[in-house]
Amino acid sequence: GAVVSQHPSWVICKSGTSVKIECRSLDFQATTMFWYRQFPKQSLMLMATSNEGSKATYEQGVEKDKFLINHASLTLSTLTVTSAHPEDSSFYICSARHLLPSGSSYEQYFGPGTRLTVT
Amino acid sequence: LAKTTQPISMDSYEGQEVNITCSHNNIATNDYITWYQQFPSQGPRFIIQGYKTKVTNEVASLFIPADRKSSTLSLPRVSLSDTAVYYCLVGALHGSSNTGKLIFGQGTTLQVKP
Repeated sequence: GAVVSQHPSWVICKSGTSVKIECRSLDFQATTMFWYRQFPKQSLMLMATSNEGSKATYEQGVEKDKFLINHASLTLSTLTVTSAHPEDSSFYICSARHLLPSGSSYEQYFGPGTRLTVT
Repeated sequence: LAKTTQPISMDSYEGQEVNITCSHNNIATNDYITWYQQFPSQGPRFIIQGYKTKVTNEVASLFIPADRKSSTLSLPRVSLSDTAVYYCLVGALHGSSNTGKLIFGQGTTLQVKP
């Protein structure tokens, strides 16, 4: 299957600082990427849809000024957690849509996740 | 977006076939059914995807009845390493006009015992 990478795989930051997480589609172009957050022993929660060249679409309850998303190219989306607080500590996972050879349907692949700990 | 319902947990033994059924009564015409596997502290891994009837790949089979209101993931001869959470998702992954949002339910925690 297609490969999606994330960097860093884990990060520890101090409260009040900002952290940037990168999501890359390594062997395909992705016009649409998604960002999820997962707390321990819970399911993934969709945060936002990232579209190349346009503004991200945020799910209800997700603060767009706190979680800044930039999708500047067809292979890279970034999530910046601004003014991080301990409650932002979580596992952040991105995914990317991969257009299949048929040209009309997709598969969606996920990155390995980034563990954020805010102290 | 169609809501999915799966058993919260299942137990099995090594070498057995495991079938996990997912209900998605409100599935839309454009929705595909996709199953993912997730290990702790890892991103979900794509297992299989289908629209109708039966799909088989090297790791699993997916059975979808004609009404598409449910689907069953079949894992042949499971091993200890198949212990994971399995998610069933439905979403419109067809056509460029749809964003293809996938909303995760609670998933099924499969425990494979020796």
